[in-house]
Amino acid sequence: DAGVIQSPRHEVTEMGQEVTLRCKPISGHDYLFWYRQTMMRGLELLIYFNNNVPIDDSGMPEDRFSAKMPNASFSTLKIQPSEPRDSAVYFCASTKGTNGYTFGSGTRLTVV
Amino acid sequence: KQEVTQIPAALSVPEGENLVLNCSFTDSAIYNLQWFRQDPGKGLTSLLLIQSSQREQTSGRLNASLDKSSGRSTLYIAASQPGDSATYLCAVLSSGSARQLTFGSGTQLTVLP
Repeated sequence: DAGVIQSPRHEVTEMGQEVTLRCKPISGHDYLFWYRQTMMRGLELLIYFNNNVPIDDSGMPEDRFSAKMPNASFSTLKIQPSEPRDSAVYFCASTKGTNGYTFGSGTRLTVV
Repeated sequence: KQEVTQIPAALSVPEGENLVLNCSFTDSAIYNLQWFRQDPGKGLTSLLLIQSSQREQTSGRLNASLDKSSGRSTLYIAASQPGDSATYLCAVLSSGSARQLTFGSGTQLTVLP
């Protein structure tokens, strides 16, 4: 199993541009999570899906952030327009039921 | 609301020492507790998963225990090595309909050669 796959690994963009982060969960997992990690705030849950349906998006900072899961093997997190304060490492994780979580390697986003 | 605390925040030990990292949580109604390792600039690697019905899990030099009634878990690392240097995170999956993993703030471990 290749694990949770995220792309790109690094993204540098200018303020105001649209950014799309991608995630492929482990096959057979029914939960997918998007986290953001910063030095100041640690790990924050942004949104999670169960069977491709968004369940809790209360962690999404504002309307500039959106996430989709069109099928069981793919999810995107989009930021439009991006701002410097969005700079962080974004992690995707997946799990099945109440088993342990598996995290991807993350996308390091820098907005200049 | 579940809260997870890790003590100490940082730890520096000489190579070869056995050490214990502590994790405490406020709500004992949990599905499981998971220990992760994070190297600088890297993702989270799962080390051990303890289900609520279990008392401990072992993997190589690592042993994690869970005392649900007292809201505590410990991660024991035997014969520490410089390669063990990393941040160790404890995370709790609380019972209920939500699937929010609550993380501690981590213990930054440095093993000196």
